[in-house]
Amino acid sequence: NAGVMQNPRHLVRRRGQEARLRCSPMKGHSHVYWYRQLPEEGLKFMVYLQKENIIDESGMPKERFSAEFPKEGPSILRIQQVVRGDSAAYFCASSSLSGYNEQFFGPGTRLTVL
Amino acid sequence: SQQGEEDPQALSIQEGENATMNCSYKTSINNLQWYRQNSGRGLVHLILIRSNEREKHSGRLRVTLDTSKKSSSLLITASRAADTASYFCATGRAKETSGSRLTFGEGTQLTVNP
Repeated sequence: NAGVMQNPRHLVRRRGQEARLRCSPMKGHSHVYWYRQLPEEGLKFMVYLQKENIIDESGMPKERFSAEFPKEGPSILRIQQVVRGDSAAYFCASSSLSGYNEQFFGPGTRLTVL
Repeated sequence: SQQGEEDPQALSIQEGENATMNCSYKTSINNLQWYRQNSGRGLVHLILIRSNEREKHSGRLRVTLDTSKKSSSLLITASRAADTASYFCATGRAKETSGSRLTFGEGTQLTVNP
C-alpha cells in the first residue's frame, strides 16, 4: 500500500512564475491537507479538502494561492506569481475519515524561488 | 504562545538513555499526535492519543496525555542513534466547523550520541 505521494520533490521557480504541487493521497483516503514548513519551524496548516470540495482554507493566503482536489487525479496546490517568501517545504497529508484519525504525510515538495 | 509547544527545544543524550519531550497546548482537543522528522525529510506518524485516553504505548514509545493540564509527553526508552530527529506534537481540535486540521508545535530536536 503506497503512502502519500508528492511531486515534484524539488521545484525551482523564478519570481513571478507559477508553481504547481501535486499530492496523491493514500489509497482509500479521501481527505487531503496541505501544510507549509518554513526553515527551522513547525508545520502550518494551509487548506483541507475532500473530493471536489474545499472544507477549510483558513490557513491559505487569500491571494496567489489556490488548491483543488478533483474527482479524478491528485490534489493540486497552485501558487501564482511566486515570491521569495514562498520558498518553503510544502507537505501534503491524507486521512481516511473526517475529523480525528491519523494524518499521514508525504515526503514534501521543497520550493525554491530565485 | 502557540498551540502545541514542545519543550525542550533541543535535547542531547547518550545512546541507551531515555528521552522525554513535552508538549503543551491551549484549547480543547479531540486528539494529539506525535510525529518524527529527519532532517530534510517528511514526517513520520508515531502515535495518536485521543482526549479520553491517558496513556498509550507503541514499541519503545510511551505517550501520556493530561487534559486537565493541557499537556502531553513523549518518552523514548533505550534511545538509539537512529532516533536522532525532530519531534513534533500536533493537536486536532474538537468540534469546530473548520474541520480536523492539525496545529503543530515548533518541535524538539533530539540528538542521540553513539
